[in-house]
Amino acid sequence: GENVEQHPSTLSVQEGDSAVIKCTYSDSASNYFPWYKQELGKRPQLIIDIRSNVGEKKDQRIAVTLNKTAKHFSLHITETQPEDSAVYFCAATSSGSARQLTFGSGTQLTVLP
Amino acid sequence: EAQVTQNPRYLITVTGKKLTVTCSQNMNHEYMSWYRQDPGLGLRQIYYSMNVEVTDKGDVPEGYKVSRKEKRNFPLILESPSPNQTSLYFCASSLLLNTGELFFGEGSRLTVL
Repeated sequence: GENVEQHPSTLSVQEGDSAVIKCTYSDSASNYFPWYKQELGKRPQLIIDIRSNVGEKKDQRIAVTLNKTAKHFSLHITETQPEDSAVYFCAATSSGSARQLTFGSGTQLTVLP
Repeated sequence: EAQVTQNPRYLITVTGKKLTVTCSQNMNHEYMSWYRQDPGLGLRQIYYSMNVEVTDKGDVPEGYKVSRKEKRNFPLILESPSPNQTSLYFCASSLLLNTGELFFGEGSRLTVL
């Protein structure tokens, strides 16, 4: 089955700086890679996703890049703000949709004022 | 309002006392899934269901049962809970042929003494 590794497990940045979270996956058939954000005490929510036919996707201050050859993908957050503080999870699946997602272990991002 | 509802939100029980965590969604989603969240381990899939009467094991199904008798409901059953099932549980749903978003419930924190 799929195995997703996520790094780092914790990340602290100064407000306004950029943050990068990286994930690797094992199954070369994986074709859908979402990122979920979980604020303290809340449920995970989808913030951005990318499919294997695209190398990069942006949505305002967040972007995701995918390198299929190396089997890794990354989340980039620019101009970080205190409200970006949360746990971020990457995930991968070969189903092409939200079915049977395998999640990474999560990254606790703290944005320091 | 579109939502996934779990009950109970918090539960403390004792080893061996059967319990059921209910999950209901009002979005007419075919796909439903249960995850457990443990520190450092991310979200791990327990069971999933592609439609009524169709269920399958995820990555950590031992000690759990599920049923899908109606499209909207997907209860998680712990026949004989043990302390290693102390965890935060999330139910989630998605359209089968969708853009990819998994909608999570608010979570159920279970403690088994």
